[in-house]
Amino acid sequence: EVQLLESGGGLVQPGGSLRVSCTASGFTFSNYAMTWVRQAPGKGLEWVSFISTTGDGTYYADSVKGRFTISRDNSKNTLYLQMDSLSAEDTAVYYCAKDAGSSWCFFDYWGQGALVTVSS
Amino acid sequence: EIVMTQSPATLSVSPGERATLSCRASQTVNSNLAWYQQKPDQIPRLLIYGASTRATGIPARFSGSGSGTEFTLTISSLQSEDFAFYYCQQYNQWPLTFGGGTKVEIK
Repeated sequence: EVQLLESGGGLVQPGGSLRVSCTASGFTFSNYAMTWVRQAPGKGLEWVSFISTTGDGTYYADSVKGRFTISRDNSKNTLYLQMDSLSAEDTAVYYCAKDAGSSWCFFDYWGQGALVTVSS
Repeated sequence: EIVMTQSPATLSVSPGERATLSCRASQTVNSNLAWYQQKPDQIPRLLIYGASTRATGIPARFSGSGSGTEFTLTISSLQSEDFAFYYCQQYNQWPLTFGGGTKVEIK
């Protein structure tokens, strides 16, 4: 059974940093690209970032480019999102999601999400 | 950036009726279009990819159509468990983008 478990969410002050993680199980993690999608309270889905199977290909939404860094450790079956220079607009539930293929760019399994709240 | 526009924002439908949801892209995405369902306080679920291919385990009452810039998700006979939010997502070019969503509610 595919499982994605996010961790590391929490309350952070504006301008601060936070790293969220996503631990995967139930599939061969290194064979699939991964992504982060966020959802602000009461709002729709917003794609944040994508990483290829090996980690050598990364993409970002303009809203987070230069502030967020996606990475993965295939030996630990773990995906990361390092978030710096956070602002209130980054407050959201952050979902990790598994690519439906090696790099098909649509997503068939989602984690339960990690809530990140940026507030003083 | 490709802007995805979904309409209507809210669709009121009676159980058993057909629901038709639209998604329009600001430029062509070919057939690189996915649909997701999200129920309140739940995680998104992949319904359709390639504009018209149902994902594993998705009931046949869900169907997708369209290509280029105009897409439709049809639910042929709404069941109680289908009342939810629906989002389209293009994966034709970076950045990936989602539509703003359509809420399907009970009439």
